[in-house]
Amino acid sequence: GAVVSQHPSRVICKSGTSVKIECRSLDFQATTMFWYRQFPKQSLMLMATSNEGSKATYEQGVEKDKFLINHASLTLSTLTVTSAHPEDSSFYICSASVGSLGYTFGSGTRLTVV
Amino acid sequence: DAKTTQPPSMDCAEGRAANLPCNHSTISGNEYVYWYRQIHSQGPQYIIHGLKNNETNEMASLIITEDRKSSTLILPHATLRDTAVYYCIAEGGGKLIFGQGTELSVKP
Repeated sequence: GAVVSQHPSRVICKSGTSVKIECRSLDFQATTMFWYRQFPKQSLMLMATSNEGSKATYEQGVEKDKFLINHASLTLSTLTVTSAHPEDSSFYICSASVGSLGYTFGSGTRLTVV
Repeated sequence: DAKTTQPPSMDCAEGRAANLPCNHSTISGNEYVYWYRQIHSQGPQYIIHGLKNNETNEMASLIITEDRKSSTLILPHATLRDTAVYYCIAEGGGKLIFGQGTELSVKP
């Protein structure tokens, strides 16, 4: 149980376009979800925390206008990278809180901006 | 969340126990110790977590010292598929902040 499905797994987009990444909780209701990014050979960096029905809370240094997060339902959170540039190329991972069971993670999205 | 310190890398022979240490000397009383692992280009996988008692599940055992300033994750019989980066996280603020982790290499 407590599975999070993340799509797409890989995406290539042109510089200046926007990309949307979806994160769905399949068998539970995710009140709180998280978005991370990970550069090669580095650890995961928390970008933001989203709570269903309210605005996301962004970590220091993360541009909220560039990384739009929507958590409109208890099973879906989306991350939109707006006006993507090559430096936004990274591995993006979503996560959801599952109470006493801890946190479960999606399989990640490899974004390449060309 | 308290900072955790882990060795950057460790080797383990296949079939032997892998003991991964973690220091969290500034952990507060309500912070849990979580362990996750990440295999290349995948999302982190939950292993185990605990507050102050030792814990065991089908994947691993977690030994937390009595003063809670350090812990050890034990993989009892490491296999090649256990090669991954292992993260120890002290969680108390409702979110996971990842450190650099330990890169465990299980060798034949």
